[in-house]
Amino acid sequence: QVQLQESGPGLVEPSQTLSLTCTVSGGSITSGSYYWSWIRQPAGKGLEWIGRISTSGSTNYNPSLKSRVTISIDTSKSQFSLKLSSVTAADTAVYYCASWHIAARNFDCWGQGILVTVFS
Amino acid sequence: DIQMTQSPSSLSASVGDRVTITCRASQSISSYLNWYQQKPGKAPKLLIYSASSLPSGVPSRFSGSGSGTDFTLSISSLQPEDFATYYCQQSYRAPLTFGGGTKVEI
Repeated sequence: QVQLQESGPGLVEPSQTLSLTCTVSGGSITSGSYYWSWIRQPAGKGLEWIGRISTSGSTNYNPSLKSRVTISIDTSKSQFSLKLSSVTAADTAVYYCASWHIAARNFDCWGQGILVTVFS
Repeated sequence: DIQMTQSPSSLSASVGDRVTITCRASQSISSYLNWYQQKPGKAPKLLIYSASSLPSGVPSRFSGSGSGTDFTLSISSLQPEDFATYYCQQSYRAPLTFGGGTKVEI
C-alpha cells in the first residue's frame, strides 16, 4: 500500500501563498488506479475536500476554494503539490494528502497531516 | 453541493455496547457512501466503503448499511480502541463532501 507524507512550512503570513508537497512512496504515483487529493481540517472541526489531480495532470477543485487553489504533480519526483493563495486565518488547519482509489471511490490512504497556521 | 448530515454529533457509550450512527445525504447518492474513523491527532482511516463493504483488516464488528439518502454505521460490541470520531463521506460526485462527524466517547 502506498505511503504519503506531507511537507512544507508550518507558518504562513496572511495574504501569502500556502505551499505544501506530498511525497508518495511504496507505490507508483503514475498508477492509473488513483487520483491524488488534498483535504483539510481546522482544529476541532470537520473535513473539507480541497481538490484532486490525476496522473495526467487533470484537476478538480472544490468550488469554495477554486479561485485560490492550484494542485500540480511531478511524477519524476513522485510528488504532488498544493498551492493556496491569499490565505487568511480561516485557512489555518491540518492539511492531509490522500490517495483516491478511482474504482472503489474512497480515500484509502492518508498522510499523517501537517498543521499550517496563518499567522502574522 | 451534496450536504451530509450526521447524527448524533456525539454519544456516550460503554465497552460492549452496540452503537449506531446515522448519515443523511441531501439528495440520493445510491450506495456511494464511505465511513472513516479518526482518532485524536491522527489521520482518518477508511472503515467502510460503498455503504457496506469492509476493507481488509477492519474488524467485523463494524458494519454499514443504507442506500439513497439514509445510511447507518453500526458497531456491534464497542471496544476500547473504537472510541474515536466517525465521518461519513459521499463519493457520488464532486465536490466530495463529509458529514460533520460523530464523536464516540465513554
